[in-house]
Amino acid sequence: ELKVEQNPLFLSMQEGKNYTIYCNYSTTSDRLYWYRQDPGKSLESLFVLLSNGAVKQEGRLMASLDTKARLSTLHITAAVHDLSATYFCAVALDQGAQKLVFGQGTRLTINP
Amino acid sequence: GAVVSQHPSWVICKSGTSVKIECRSLDFQATTMFWYRQFPKQSLMLMATSNEGSKATYEQGVEKDKFLINHASLTLSTLTVTSAHPEDSSFYICSASQGRRWQFFGPGTRLTVL
Repeated sequence: ELKVEQNPLFLSMQEGKNYTIYCNYSTTSDRLYWYRQDPGKSLESLFVLLSNGAVKQEGRLMASLDTKARLSTLHITAAVHDLSATYFCAVALDQGAQKLVFGQGTRLTINP
Repeated sequence: GAVVSQHPSWVICKSGTSVKIECRSLDFQATTMFWYRQFPKQSLMLMATSNEGSKATYEQGVEKDKFLINHASLTLSTLTVTSAHPEDSSFYICSASQGRRWQFFGPGTRLTVL
């Protein structure tokens, strides 16, 4: 059974600081996603990571994947208040599958 | 592109009634749609996978007679919560798949059962 675990689950930080959210998963997969969810809203796609060593960046967010360690990271650089949201990683259930298993989510609050 | 809509965005109903939620892919044909449930401050839990023209595949623990899914066309899937009870109150989110790589998520439907 595929399990996806994120940490931390809650993160409060100041603007301008850097931090990293971690996503561990338990079995082999060929795709890992990062999503953002604002309160009361649905999910916004951020990144899809497909291969070992993949790195994607968009603005102050950078995601990476280590398939050998079954670990992905979402790094936030010089955080700004607008990045406050809940961030989910999701892993494809198995190779070629469309079903996703989501992590618990990391609630990020960025204080001025 | 790749827009998914849901209707209604929120609904309040009395216990024992049935509620239908629609999920539409607006600008692409979705061979597969997924239905998720999200309780407050929790993650998304997959309820079922819906393929056009065939019966939905339900996840373990999801009652197929209670959560009826119909995927009648490549752009429309419906979820009907039958005989709803307060414990069914949740945020229901659909997603539509275009190929294997991406799922595009709808805006969600907040169901409150009184």
